[in-house]
Amino acid sequence: DVKVTQSSRYLVKRTGEKVFLECVQDMDHENMFWYRQDPGLGLRLIYFSYDVKMKEKGDIPEGYSVSREKKERFSLILESASTNQTSMYLCASSFLGGPQHFGDGTRLSIL
Amino acid sequence: GEDVEQSLFLSVREGDSSVINCTYTDSSSTYLYWYKQEPGAGLQLLTYIFSNMDMKQDQRLTVLLNKKDKHLSLRIADTQTGDSAIYFCAESALYSSASKIIFGSGTRLSIRP
Repeated sequence: DVKVTQSSRYLVKRTGEKVFLECVQDMDHENMFWYRQDPGLGLRLIYFSYDVKMKEKGDIPEGYSVSREKKERFSLILESASTNQTSMYLCASSFLGGPQHFGDGTRLSIL
Repeated sequence: GEDVEQSLFLSVREGDSSVINCTYTDSSSTYLYWYKQEPGAGLQLLTYIFSNMDMKQDQRLTVLLNKKDKHLSLRIADTQTGDSAIYFCAESALYSSASKIIFGSGTRLSIRP
C-alpha cells in the first residue's frame, strides 16, 4: 500500500512565523503535490513537483514556497504565516499520469 | 478551463443504494476518480476508471462513465453508516510536466437509520 505521511496532524503557529510542513512518501513517486482545503472552496493546488529540485506553481502559490531535495520528501513553507493561511493542508503523491494518494492532512491554525 | 461539478449533499436510508453524480468538462481526461474523505482525515482513493471504459465494478461500488455527456456516477450498494463521508469526483488533466487532478467540491453523503 502507498503510504504518504505528513509530519503533524495539528499545528498552531503565530502570525509572522516561518512554518514548515513536511510530507514523505514511500512509493518512489515522481510527482508530489500540496493542496489546501477550505470549507466551500474545495481542494486548491498550491504547488507541485515532478522531480527532485523541480517545482511548479499551482493555482494559489502566493505566500508559499516548496522544497524537494530528495525524491521521497516534499516540504511546504509558509515564509511569514498569516491568519488567512489557517487551513487543512493535504499532501499527495503519484506516478506520472496515475492517481494521487493522499496523506492524512495537517490542520494548521495561525493565531 | 477544466471544471468538475457535483451536488453538495445526498441523504439516503441505510440499506438503500446511493448514487452520486458528477459532470466534468475536459474531454481529454485519461482517468476519472472517486475519493472518499471521512471527518478530519485525508482523501482516500476509492476507485478510478479509464476514460475508454464505460463501467467498473468493485464489490459494493459501481462506477458508470458516459463520455459523450461527460457524466460520471458512483453507486454504493447497501449503504452503511460507515459510508458517511464526503465523496470527491476528480478528473486527470495534463499540466505542464505532471498530471494534475481537478477535483469537484465534494458531495456529503449522510445515512438515515
